[in-house]
Amino acid sequence: AQSVTQLGSHVSVSEGALVLLRCNYSSSVPPYLFWYVQYPNQGLQLLLKYTSAATLVKGINGFEAEFKKSETSFHLTKPSAHMSDAAEYFCAVSGNTGGFKTIFGAGTRLFVKA
Amino acid sequence: EAGVAQSPRYKIIEKRQSVAFWCNPISGHATLYWYQQILGQGPKLLIQFQNNGVVDDSQLPKDRFSAERLKGVDSTLKIQPAKLEDSAVYLCASSSGAWGNQPQHFGDGTRLSIL
Repeated sequence: AQSVTQLGSHVSVSEGALVLLRCNYSSSVPPYLFWYVQYPNQGLQLLLKYTSAATLVKGINGFEAEFKKSETSFHLTKPSAHMSDAAEYFCAVSGNTGGFKTIFGAGTRLFVKA
Repeated sequence: EAGVAQSPRYKIIEKRQSVAFWCNPISGHATLYWYQQILGQGPKLLIQFQNNGVVDDSQLPKDRFSAERLKGVDSTLKIQPAKLEDSAVYLCASSSGAWGNQPQHFGDGTRLSIL
């Protein structure tokens, strides 16, 4: 069975500081991995996706994530946080098990301090 | 392109009442999903449609929840009767493929409050 663990339900950074949101997954088959962002009272928006091409994936708004198979990780980073990055971030995994169901992590809320 | 449309945005009902949510996916998207998102948690899949057929409804509480996708386009999700624990945001999403490698596009959700 597939699963996703997001380490840290809350992360706080200063504006201009590095953002690092952690995601570990388990999957018995090569996974598809996604990061989504959710702003208050909105649905989820895709930030980036990994589908077995390059291991370093670049997304929107300056975010990127690196797929590390040996560590079963797909951490999200951004070199310099902006106030507008404050939101909830979800890591998700899907693959050829369980009918290609997508499993979402519990989410990490990012706070950005001025 | 127009995004996923959901209505209503907010709904307040009393327990044991019934409620229905509507979703219009992105045009041409064959796969449609309904998720339940409880405050502080990630979305949990309730049901997945491929065109008008059900792919996965293993986590749908079938004694009270039902969903349909007539003609493979719009979809409705119904709860009857509602319980207090059904208070959540109900998200609809669509994607162009069913194989998990395509991202999902989400609507803004319906926030349901049960009194």
